[in-house]
Amino acid sequence: GAVVSQHPSWVICKSGTSVKIECRSLDFQATTMFWYRQFPKQSLMLMATSNEGSKATYEQGVEKDKFLINHASLTLSTLTVTSAHPEDSSFYICSARASGGPSGTQYFGPGTRLLVL
Amino acid sequence: AQSVSQHNHHVILSEAASLELGCNYSYGGTVNLFWYVQYPGQHLQLLLKYFSGDPLVKGIKGFEAEFIKSKFSFNLRKPSVQWSDTAEYFCAVNLGGATNKLIFGTGTLLAVQP
Repeated sequence: GAVVSQHPSWVICKSGTSVKIECRSLDFQATTMFWYRQFPKQSLMLMATSNEGSKATYEQGVEKDKFLINHASLTLSTLTVTSAHPEDSSFYICSARASGGPSGTQYFGPGTRLLVL
Repeated sequence: AQSVSQHNHHVILSEAASLELGCNYSYGGTVNLFWYVQYPGQHLQLLLKYFSGDPLVKGIKGFEAEFIKSKFSFNLRKPSVQWSDTAEYFCAVNLGGATNKLIFGTGTLLAVQP
C-alpha cells in the first residue's frame, strides 16, 4: 500500500517551453502533497506544499508563477514548470501524506528528471 | 532556522561491519524523526520513524535508531551491513503543526563492499 507514482519519469524539453509533471497517490487519498527538488549530490529541498482544493504554499525563494501547482483531487497533484530554462533542469520528487495518516509520514514518488536544453 | 545535519557525506564499509550514521537537528520543540533510504535508481522509502515512546525504534531490514533528546540526535544503526544496503540514507525532521513539512539532511551515501 501507500504507492505514489509520477509521470513522466523523465522529460527533455527546449528552453521556453512548459512541462507538466503529475503526482498520483494510487491506493490512498492524500489531502496534502509535497513537491521537492533534488540537485546532484544534494538533499531534497521542499518547493511547495499542495493542499487539495486550495492554493499551494510555496517555500521562500520558490517562484509561484514559474512553478504552478494544482491539487484538484485527493489523488492527483500537478507541477507545471513554465517557460523552462536550463537552470530548471533537476530531479523533481513529489510525496503524499495520507488523509488522517500519522503526522509527518510521507510517501514518495519515484521522481521526474527534467532536462531543459 | 531549523536544520538537520548528517556528518558523514559518504561511508564505505565491508560486509558484516557495523554501521552508525549520525543525524543531529536544531529545534527546541517536539519533533517527529525519520530515516529514509534511497536505493540506486529507486525512490525514497521509509526505514523507520520516531514519534514518541521508546526512544529506540526498530525499522525494516534490521535497522534501528535511537532518539537522544539531550543531544538532539537520531543516529541510525545496523549491527551487520550487507552489500544490498548500499544506498543513500536521509535523516528528516517533521516539526508538526498544520504544514507537516519535512526537513531533510544532506544525506549519507553508504557503499558496502562485498
